[in-house]
This record gives sequence, structure tokens and C-alpha cells, in this order.
Amino acid sequence: DAGVIQSPRHEVTEMGQEVTLRCKPISGHNSLFWYRQTMMRGLELLIYFNNNVPIDDSGMPEDRFSAKMPNASFSTLKIQPSEPRDSAVYFCASSFLGVNEQFFGPGTRLTVL
Amino acid sequence: TQLLEQSPQFLSIQEGENLTVYCNSSSVFSSLQWYRQEPGEGPVLLVTVVTGGEVKKLKRLTFQFGDARKDSSLHITAAQPGDTGLYLCAEAGGTSYGKLTFGQGTILTVHP
Repeated sequence: DAGVIQSPRHEVTEMGQEVTLRCKPISGHNSLFWYRQTMMRGLELLIYFNNNVPIDDSGMPEDRFSAKMPNASFSTLKIQPSEPRDSAVYFCASSFLGVNEQFFGPGTRLTVL
Repeated sequence: TQLLEQSPQFLSIQEGENLTVYCNSSSVFSSLQWYRQEPGEGPVLLVTVVTGGEVKKLKRLTFQFGDARKDSSLHITAAQPGDTGLYLCAEAGGTSYGKLTFGQGTILTVHP
């Protein structure tokens, strides 16, 4: 069974550029979560969707960050413009709605120079 | 926002040793989960504890939930290099159903 798929696995970009991270949740899961992990702040929830609808985006750090879920099998997290402090590993996770077990993807390591 | 504190932050031990890591909260957990994250991968759920005083075992791992549901511990017996990783506790459920709040984690290194 395919788990959560994230792309790209690594992204190196320059400050000011737009970055788009992609996620395909596990088929049948109807909750999707975006997290950011850094050494300083640990694993932080950015936003999550239930049935493709954003439920809580209070963790999104700034207006530079946006997330969409156009359908049940795809989500994007966009940073525009990117800054060096956005460098982190970004994880996508999915679950069945109402079930607390989340399945994480392998993450995207973002480096903004 | 509930704060989860994990200790120790770092733990470096030799193969065969026992260890315990802790997760504490300023308030009562609805339920608590433990995850392990290996380098280059996402966290993987190990266990969920719900009832105060609950003890769960997963091979060499023993998970305890405090009677007051404000703390939890993970004990590993006879650690092996394969146990190396980041151990995270997370508060699950509560008023934000489906949302997890993670602790900072304990980085465990088991040397052969």
C-alpha cells in the first residue's frame, strides 16, 4: 500500500522565490495535516483539512504561506516569497476523520538560501 | 494551548542498557500518543494511551499513563541500535478533534 506521498523530497531555492510543496494522502483518508519541523521549534501543525475544507490554519506563520486542497487526493503548501527562516522539513500527514492516528509522509526538506 | 514537556532532550546510551523518557503536561491529557521518528522519515505511531494508570507494552517498550493523565513515560528495556531515533509524545483529541500537539521530543542514540 502506498503511504502518504510528498514531493519534492528536497528543495533548495533562493530567498524571494516561490516554493510549492505537494502531498498525496492515503487513499480513503479524509483529514490532511501540514506540519513544519525545526530543531528550535520541533514539530508544529500549520494547517489541517477535513473533507478538503480548511479547519484550522492558526499555525500558518504568515500570509506568505498558503495551502489548498482542491480534491481528496491532493494538497499543496505554497510559500511566496520564501525566506531563509522558512528552511525546515515540511511533513504532510493524513488520517480518517475522527481517528487520531495520523500517517506521515517522508517530508520535504526545504532550504532557502 | 497545552504545553508538552519531554525529558531528557538528548539521551546517548550503550546497547543493552535500559532507559526511560518522560512527557509532562500543564493540564490533563484527553489521550496521549507516542511516536518514533527515524532520520529522514516521518513520525510513526507507537501507541495511544487513554485511561489514567494505563500500561501498554510493545515488545521491549513499556508505556505508562499517569493516574492523573498529566504525564506519561516510555521505558525501553535492553536498548538496541535500531531503537535510535526521535521519540515524540503528542496530545490527541480534546476540543480540536483530530488535531495533535507534539512535544519537542527526545533524541535517543543507542551505540553498538
